[in-house]
Parts: sequence; structure tokens; C-alpha cells
Amino acid sequence: NAGVTQTPKFQVLKTGQSMTLQCAQDMNHNSMYWYRQDPGMGLRLIYYSASEGTTDKGEVPNGYNVSRLNKREFSLRLESAAPSQTSVYFCASSPQGRGTEAFFGQGTRLTVV
Amino acid sequence: QQQVKQSPQSLIVQKGGISIINCAYENTAFDYFPWYQQFPGKGPALLIAIRPDVSEKKEGRFTISFNKSAKQFSLHIMDSQPGDSATYFCAAVNNQGGKLIFGQGTELSVKP
Repeated sequence: NAGVTQTPKFQVLKTGQSMTLQCAQDMNHNSMYWYRQDPGMGLRLIYYSASEGTTDKGEVPNGYNVSRLNKREFSLRLESAAPSQTSVYFCASSPQGRGTEAFFGQGTRLTVV
Repeated sequence: QQQVKQSPQSLIVQKGGISIINCAYENTAFDYFPWYQQFPGKGPALLIAIRPDVSEKKEGRFTISFNKSAKQFSLHIMDSQPGDSATYFCAAVNNQGGKLIFGQGTELSVKP
């Protein structure tokens, strides 16, 4: 039982390059999330998907796009990477939005130079 | 704006002492308040959670105290151990959409 799997684990991008962070969960959860973690800022919600086919902006959506490809997969795309997007990115899933445990992946450490 | 505010940013406690982390929120639509624990290089994991109709919840050495009128809640770790050294996040869930919003995190170090 893999839980939440994120790929890649590490990535270095040049400013202006694009990339997609992949996330998949095998727990049949409805809700999925993308967060970024920065020192002193905690975990900030980028995008949220309550169910397959729906997405909603979080606290810091600018510069990002998402796709909820199916119930299992939720990808995060950086169209034109900027140094301010250097961060650790976490994907999470939960059975439903309220009152249930969210399970996190191991994170993707992204550096934009 | 930060919807959930957490303090302190870092905390050093002696082994056997009590660790206290505080959080405050503004949005009365929040109706579920979990705490997550994160070890270096790992994703956060649920530690304990509370609903606003309860003023306190205890699980082993971990206790959440909740003050609905003040819109504040706190985590108490009794008999703190070096193995508790980690980053702790408070969070809140919005009952109008299910978004899970986190505080800024507290880096706890328990000295032997």
C-alpha cells in the first residue's frame, strides 16, 4: 500500500522552464491537495480538488495550474518557473474534505535557479 | 493573509517538561482543528484533532485545548521526550469547501 506517491523527489529548474509535479494516491480518496512549504511560512495551500473533475484555488495559486486527471491523480504544473517558486511541494489526499485525516506524500524539493 | 496563526515559531524544552504551542483563527466557518507532526525529510502526519463542540481532547501525552469564544486552540505535550523533536502544525478545515489550512509551524527541540 503506497499511500500518496509524488514524483520527482528532487528537481532543479532554470528560470522560465516548465515542469509538472505528479501525485497519485491509491486510497480511493475524493479530496486532493497541493501545498508548498517554506521556512517560517508553514504549509500554504496552492490548489485543492474536492473530487474528480473539480479544482479550487488555495492561498497561493499564482504561477501554478493543476489537473485532476482522475480520482487517483492530481498534477501541479509550473508554466514558467521563477526563483520565488523554490520550495518543497507536498501533495496530500483525504477521504473527504471535512473532519478526516489528510495523508501526505514525501515531498518534492524544487530549486529554481 | 494567514488564516491560522501559530506561535511560537520555535521552542526548546527540557526532557520531561511541558511543550505548549498556540494557534488562533478568524474564520468561524472552520469546524475541525487537527494538529500534524512532521519529521525532517518526511511529509506531515496527523497527531490529534478536535471539533469545536469539545473544549479538550487528550491522547496519551498530547492534549488539545479549545476556546471557541476566543477562537484559539493549543497543543500541550506532557513529559516531552527527545523523540518528540519535530515540527508541529496546527490546521483548520473550512466546512464550506473542505480546504485544509495550516499555521506557520513550530519547530520543537526537546533537550535530553
